[in-house]
Amino acid sequence: DGGITQSPKYLFRKEGQNVTLSCEQNLNHDAMYWYRQDPGQGLRLIYYSQIVNDFQKGDIAEGYSVSREKKESFPLTVTSAQKNPTAFYLCASSIDAGISTQYFGPGTRLTVL
Amino acid sequence: AQTVTQSQPEMSVQEAETVTLSCTYDTSENNYYLFWYKQPPSRQMILVIRQEAYKQQNATENRFSVNFQKAAKSFSLKISDSQLGDTAMYFCAFMKPRETSGSRLTFGEGTQLTVNP
Repeated sequence: DGGITQSPKYLFRKEGQNVTLSCEQNLNHDAMYWYRQDPGQGLRLIYYSQIVNDFQKGDIAEGYSVSREKKESFPLTVTSAQKNPTAFYLCASSIDAGISTQYFGPGTRLTVL
Repeated sequence: AQTVTQSQPEMSVQEAETVTLSCTYDTSENNYYLFWYKQPPSRQMILVIRQEAYKQQNATENRFSVNFQKAAKSFSLKISDSQLGDTAMYFCAFMKPRETSGSRLTFGEGTQLTVNP
């Protein structure tokens, strides 16, 4: 069954801790994206990757880091430098980084205690 | 920079009726793409419809259609024969193709649609 998976669905973190959110896709898509969603707001782009071993900062990259060692995987690390990390995080992928449509995973809700 | 505005934070409609959600955008580009996504209570983002700016014909997907007015920079979504399962947050999004740095989506703030029985 092809699709995008994100884990865990819910994640709790203590202040000062780094945490990594998983995103995996088996759609053979080249491009992958991370978005953040806050209540009452649209999605904002954190990082994106056009191809393996390459990624670029989005609009709100501060306090986040990513890696793209495999085509299928694009994990997001929320570091202790992120001042307000509590949010809903969505991963997406597309065939390429051009005009192709982005498809989304089910999301991870991160709460900082 | 492109901006997307959805001026209706909340809307409601009776089951089986038609509703239109508004979206306007600001860009100086001529070539771009527009999308409507829905986010039901499960929070999964689902593509509803896509429109290419170079196409004059409005996109249609079953009960969902758009009214794309390029000169007015307007991109509204019409839902016909509304169903309870259409209850969701609807997001309008803009994409400008970038040859080197990759295309990025810019989202509006969303419209919460409630379909009442």
